[in-house]
Amino acid sequence: GESVGLHLPTLSVQEGDNSIINCAYSNSASDYFIWYKQESGKGPQFIIDIRSNMDKRQGQRVTVLLNKTVKHLSLQIAATQPGDSAVYFCAEVLRGFGNEKLTFGTGTRLTIIP
Amino acid sequence: KAGVTQTPRYLIKTRGQQVTLSCSPISGHRSVSWYQQTPGQGLQFLFEYFSETQRNKGNFPGRFSGRQFSNSRSEMNVSTLELGDSALYLCASSTRGRGQETQYFGPGTRLLVL
Repeated sequence: GESVGLHLPTLSVQEGDNSIINCAYSNSASDYFIWYKQESGKGPQFIIDIRSNMDKRQGQRVTVLLNKTVKHLSLQIAATQPGDSAVYFCAEVLRGFGNEKLTFGTGTRLTIIP
Repeated sequence: KAGVTQTPRYLIKTRGQQVTLSCSPISGHRSVSWYQQTPGQGLQFLFEYFSETQRNKGNFPGRFSGRQFSNSRSEMNVSTLELGDSALYLCASSTRGRGQETQYFGPGTRLLVL
C-alpha cells in the first residue's frame, strides 16, 4: 500500500533556531514530493518540492532532503520566525496513466516560541 | 491576480441534507481539484476537473460529486450528509494540473453537519 506519514504531530522551536520536520512515505514509485504550509484559517501554501531523482533542494530559508533508501523526507527551516508557526504537510505525487495522485500526510504543527 | 476563492466560507447543515460548495480558480487556471481536510484523516483528494471533465477521482463515495463550468469555476455537491462529512473543503487550481505545477489553494469552506 502507499501512505505518507509524519513522525511527530507537534514541534516547538525557539525563534531563531532551525527546525526539522520529518515525513515517511512507503511508495517508492512516487515521482515527486511537495511540502505545504497551512496557517490558521487559510488553505495550504506551496513551500518547496523535490523530484524523486534528487536528494536535496534548497529554497529561501528552507531545504528539503530526500532519502530514498529509508523513504524519508524532511523539511528544514533555518532561522525560524514567528510567521513560520503553522501546520506543515508533506505530499507525494504518483503519476499514473493520464492522471496524477496526490497523497498528503496528516501534518505537523510547528510552533515558534518567541 | 486574485487568488482562489471559495464560497461560502462557513456552512451548517443537518444530516440528510445536501450541500453545494463553489470554487473560483485563479484566472487562466483550468485545473481545479477538491480536497477534504479533517483532523483525523488530514487532506484527502476528492476529485480533479479540467476543461469541464473529471480527470481524476479519489476514494470517496458517490454522494460526493462535482462539476466544472466553461469558465473553469467548479462546484462540489455532497448529498445525504452524514456527521462524518464535517470538514474543511479545500479547492486548489493550477494551470493544467500536470507535472510539478504549483497548486494554489483557496481558504476553504468549513462545513459542520449536525
